[in-house]
Amino acid sequence: EVQLVESGGGLERPGRSLRLSCVASGFIFDDYAMHWVRQVPGKGLEWVSSISWDSRSTDYADSVKGRFTVSRDNAKNSLYLQMNSLRTEDSALYYCAKDFGSSVLRHNYFDYWGQGTLVSISS
Amino acid sequence: DIQMTQSPSSLSASVGDRVTITCRASHSVGRYLSWYQQKPGKAPKLLIYSASYLQSGVPSRFSGTGSDIDFTLTISSLQPEDFATYSCHQSYTSPGTFGPGTKVDI
Repeated sequence: EVQLVESGGGLERPGRSLRLSCVASGFIFDDYAMHWVRQVPGKGLEWVSSISWDSRSTDYADSVKGRFTVSRDNAKNSLYLQMNSLRTEDSALYYCAKDFGSSVLRHNYFDYWGQGTLVSISS
Repeated sequence: DIQMTQSPSSLSASVGDRVTITCRASHSVGRYLSWYQQKPGKAPKLLIYSASYLQSGVPSRFSGTGSDIDFTLTISSLQPEDFATYSCHQSYTSPGTFGPGTKVDI
């Protein structure tokens, strides 16, 4: 059974940093690209970042580019999102998602999602 | 960025109804379009990928059609467990963008 478990969210002040983690199980982690998607409670979904199986390719939404860094450790079946210079508009539930069938960043779909970790940014 | 719109934003339906939700892209996305179902307090679930392919385990009452700009998700006979929010997503080009969602309620 595929499982994705996020952690690392919490309440933080603007300008500070958080590091989100996602531990995967039930599939061959390094066969797939992985993604972060966020959602303000009660609002729509927003893609945040993606990383290829080998970490050679990464991609970011313009809203987080230069502030967030996605990484993965295939030996630990883990995905990370380093969030720096946090803003109030970064407050959301952050989901980790597995790619449907691709190891690279191209025409990706998300077939399994974690339950999310909540990030709240407030002074 | 490619903008995705959905209509309607919400609808009320009854069990057994045929429900159709439309998604429109601001530019052609080919068939790189997926549909997700999300229930309150739960993570999204992939229903349809590549515009019309049913994800494994998803009931056959769900179907998707369309290409380029216009796409449709149809639920042929609404079941109690189908009351949820449905969102489309284009993965033709980065950044992948989601529609705002369509809430289906009783």
